[in-house]
Amino acid sequence: DTAVSQTPKYLVTQMGNDKSIKCEQNLGHDTMYWYKQDSKKFLKIMFSYNNKELIINETVPNRFSPKSPDKAHLNLHINSLELGDSAVYFCASSATSGGGSYNEQFFGPGTRLTVL
Amino acid sequence: AQSVTQLDSQVPVFEEAPVELRCNYSSSVSVYLFWYVQYPNQGLQLLLKYLSGSTLVKGINGFEAEFNKSQTSFHLRKPSVHISDTAEYFCAFSGTYKYIFGTGTRLKVLA
Repeated sequence: DTAVSQTPKYLVTQMGNDKSIKCEQNLGHDTMYWYKQDSKKFLKIMFSYNNKELIINETVPNRFSPKSPDKAHLNLHINSLELGDSAVYFCASSATSGGGSYNEQFFGPGTRLTVL
Repeated sequence: AQSVTQLDSQVPVFEEAPVELRCNYSSSVSVYLFWYVQYPNQGLQLLLKYLSGSTLVKGINGFEAEFNKSQTSFHLRKPSVHISDTAEYFCAFSGTYKYIFGTGTRLKVLA
């Protein structure tokens, strides 16, 4: 059983298009995250959701819109894709207690987005 | 500001040699520290974590790390590496509803 799954694994699209990435976790965690990893492997948090509520938005352009229909899902929709959006996007989840992140994060396999 | 610094972007080492990957953090509050490993084309997985207690933490695959509060460091070590340890290694610490990652160290084990 996959703990954190993402679809699709690869996404190739043209500039200006709109695309979505889906994430699901079956670990019963209450917090989910989106990270962007650039070509130099730098990992930067984009969003953090706790119990379906947005907690952290790390100055991400509003072309990126996360949606959490329930605690097990956190999807990422991207409008008007730009060349600079090309990266690997990771979803992750963890169990938190009052905001304290004592527990490890579990990561999905990543979605490699290429914008042409 | 809270931050994590990984001092080496790449570390080449011969198989069966020991290795140390360095990590320093900056935080004015108590921290919870983690090391993650990322194998090629995969997500990150936890190697080990320090929450409290003993400053020497043992993890999976023979890795260990030592928390040093006075030097604000959390260096990762392995006494004898294998080819299969070739990967990207990330140091991280946790804040409120987020984790702050270092820039990663690429460990390349040479035959």
